[in-house]
Amino acid sequence: QQQVKQSPQSLIVQKGGISIINCAYENTAFDYFPWYQQFPGKGPALLIAIRPDVSEKKEGRFTISFNKSAKQFSLHIMDSQPGDSATYFCAASIDSNSGYALNFGKGTSLLVTP
Amino acid sequence: EPEVTQTPSHQVTQMGQEVILRCVPISNHLYFYWYRQILGQKVEFLVSFYNNEISEKSEIFDDQFSVERPDGSNFTLKIRSTKLEDSAMYFCVARREQYNEQFFGPGTRLTVL
Repeated sequence: QQQVKQSPQSLIVQKGGISIINCAYENTAFDYFPWYQQFPGKGPALLIAIRPDVSEKKEGRFTISFNKSAKQFSLHIMDSQPGDSATYFCAASIDSNSGYALNFGKGTSLLVTP
Repeated sequence: EPEVTQTPSHQVTQMGQEVILRCVPISNHLYFYWYRQILGQKVEFLVSFYNNEISEKSEIFDDQFSVERPDGSNFTLKIRSTKLEDSAMYFCVARREQYNEQFFGPGTRLTVL
């Protein structure tokens, strides 16, 4: 069972446009929702994360929108730049002392064209 | 200074051979993880390790896999008898106790022939 579903699989956006990636989760016990950015040949790096007590979090050009009732969250990249071209993964986990394993979505390959 | 370093960067082995992947997190990390990513696919959780014992493991982490932190520094993943389907990028991940962020290492690409 896929616990985190991510869409779209790939996305092409013009420079200056808004990139939007969506994720949905099944487990209502999840209480930590990070987004990771991965460049080719590199490990994923944390971009931004949110907890369910807020509906939105913004850091620079990156915003997470969170809808607890719908069990959905999304990443918005404003003023997208060619340097944002990468694979983006959403994830979810239960914040506990037992392990805190991240459940990843399948990833979205973003290409920002000049 | 990177939070996590991994060696080797690329490991090629024959099917059935044992491999050990190594990771060195910086000293103030208390939670350790191994994830893997088969080429072009999502990142998958293998195991988490806290206070010198496994705290959680996935279905992937079967009897062929083991982890240890023998000297309080290096964190290793051992695959006893590799299979073709073990070919993947393996990421060591570390987390400090008070913070949520999991820091991914650069990964070891394992190729099983």
